Amino acid sequence: GQNIDQPTEMTATEGAIVQINCTYQTSGFNGLFWYQQHAGEAPTFLSYNVLDGLEEKGRFSSFLSRSKGYSYLLLKELQMKDSASYLCAVRHSWGKLQFGAGTQVVVTP
Amino acid sequence: DAGVTQSPTHLIKTRGQQVTLRCSPKSGHDTVSWYQQALGQGPQFIFQYYEEEERQRGNFPDRFSGHQFPNYSSELNVNALWLGDSALYLCASSFSTDGYTFGSGTRLTVV
Repeated sequence: GQNIDQPTEMTATEGAIVQINCTYQTSGFNGLFWYQQHAGEAPTFLSYNVLDGLEEKGRFSSFLSRSKGYSYLLLKELQMKDSASYLCAVRHSWGKLQFGAGTQVVVTP
Repeated sequence: DAGVTQSPTHLIKTRGQQVTLRCSPKSGHDTVSWYQQALGQGPQFIFQYYEEEERQRGNFPDRFSGHQFPNYSSELNVNALWLGDSALYLCASSFSTDGYTFGSGTRLTVV
């Protein structure tokens, strides 16, 4: 089957680090995206990995291991505005995105 | 530079009715995809349009249909609405292997 799994919810304190894991089983893998989505709003692009390894962009980093079907998004120096849903999405051939159910991150003072 | 524009932002329809949602892609983008996002879930792929043709389709019934116009804008039509069609409908545009830009969505409520 084709599945993308990520935790439902994570809670962390302002200033801390949180790691959101994503595992996938899918055919036709053509890259993995991470998006941030605030309630009722559009998903906004955070990162894209197509090769194995770590991609760093400011406070956000993303890692991919294609052989393990595994990715994570690392959020550092958490801020209250980082409270949102984080979506892991696999890109298939021809550009279709398959999303996980999302991880709700709650940042507490 | 305008991003992806969707209209309307909110819509309430009665079960059995038909609805049309509209999407204008980001300037320079030629491919439009539609997604359905139920509350608390990730977006689910409905279909993708490129060169005015449906290129890919997800696991949605024929009640869901679409169209792409020569200016790359797109419409999503849903016939015989069910209560379960209530969701946020997202449009995403792209060009070649570039990333995707999402619109803010249309919140459809079926009563």
